[in-house]
Amino acid sequence: DVKVTQSSRYLVKRTGEKVFLECVQDMDHENMFWYRQDPGLGLRLIYFSYDVKMKEKGDIPEGYSVSREKKERFSLILESASTNQTSMYLCASRSRGAINEQYFGPGTRLTVT
Amino acid sequence: TQLLEQSPQFLSIQEGENLTVYCNSSSVFSSLQWYRQEPGEGPVLLVTVVTGGEVKKLKRLTFQFGDARKDSSLHITAAQPGDTGLYLCAAHTSGTYKYIFGTGTRLKVLA
Repeated sequence: DVKVTQSSRYLVKRTGEKVFLECVQDMDHENMFWYRQDPGLGLRLIYFSYDVKMKEKGDIPEGYSVSREKKERFSLILESASTNQTSMYLCASRSRGAINEQYFGPGTRLTVT
Repeated sequence: TQLLEQSPQFLSIQEGENLTVYCNSSSVFSSLQWYRQEPGEGPVLLVTVVTGGEVKKLKRLTFQFGDARKDSSLHITAAQPGDTGLYLCAAHTSGTYKYIFGTGTRLKVLA
């Protein structure tokens, strides 16, 4: 079974803090994603990585950066957390191939006060 | 962000009833996934359909991909309280990395 793990299930941070969210997958997948999920807005793509050290901006990259130094690990960084970044953050991974199946981690519920 | 239209948005039914959830778009996709998400958890992949007209069954759940690969349905037979959750469809087009997500159907099955 594919396993995607996220470093924290719940986080509470203060405005202005630098926040690191980590994601690890164990299936040697090339592609990894960070989404945020908000009521009424669905899942929105923040960043995507198609290989080690390679990244592309998604639909809402402002205020975020990412790091992918190793194939299995994809980190999301909030440079200076703001209250409008309070959300559920979901990491996903996907293998290249004929059938593109995306697998999600359990999510991190981040609250910025 | 583009969204797939899912209907209904909310559904509350009694245990034992049948239901169908729809996922519609005007675009053609190369594959479509269905997920179930419980509160506070990440979406869990239920099935992937890739061929127009394809039907897949997972116990009491039946998934169908439209002939034109623009829409899909999820039918649950004899719903149980354990089926409660948010059902999401996600579509993908070959050659791109992006997935388009549905707006979600929140299902509650009452015992």
